[in-house]
Amino acid sequence: EAGVAQSPRYKIIEKRQSVAFWCNPISGHATLYWYQQILGQGPKLLIQFQNNGVVDDSQLPKDRFSAERLKGVDSTLKIQPAKLEDSAVYLCASSPSFLRDSTDTQYFGPGTRLTVL
Amino acid sequence: AQSVTQLGSHVSVSEGALVLLRCNYSSSVPPYLFWYVQYPNQGLQLLLKYTSAATLVKGINGFEAEFKKSETSFHLTKPSAHMSDAAEYFCAVRTNTGFQKLVFGTGTRLLVSP
Repeated sequence: EAGVAQSPRYKIIEKRQSVAFWCNPISGHATLYWYQQILGQGPKLLIQFQNNGVVDDSQLPKDRFSAERLKGVDSTLKIQPAKLEDSAVYLCASSPSFLRDSTDTQYFGPGTRLTVL
Repeated sequence: AQSVTQLGSHVSVSEGALVLLRCNYSSSVPPYLFWYVQYPNQGLQLLLKYTSAATLVKGINGFEAEFKKSETSFHLTKPSAHMSDAAEYFCAVRTNTGFQKLVFGTGTRLLVSP
């Protein structure tokens, strides 16, 4: 079974530029998550999709970050314009269930390391 | 709100020694608890999870953790460390209702010396 795929693996941009990350979850997984992991910290959830609907985006800086999951499969996360503090690893994860109380495991991709200069 | 505290950003052990990584949680309702491992330049991999069944949970690679409600702890242990165990370990908590998100600790880097 293929895992969660993410691209690109590394990205270097200058501040105020825009950038987009792509995630392809495990086939059939209903729930998709985007996390931000700043160096020396644990991952922080940015946004959670259930199929193609947003369940939680309370920690997404909506003035510069956006995300979509068209057709309930692939997802893209965009930052426009980027700031220095956005330098981090952006992790995508997916889990099988659409149930609210599910204890399903979240499966993580390898992440995209973003450096903003 | 739920949170976890991981004591010690770095833990060093010798190969063959006991591994003990500490995690304390805060939750107003019964929690679900997780341990993940992250190898360099890789995503997170689930080691084990507690979801209100047995309090002693066994995971992959010989790791286990015990849920202790009285101490609000979920420490990760392994009897004998291997060099391949060197990695970053994250404890996480979520509630047992709704679409509640995972809340991660700051992580503990395990160093294993020969």
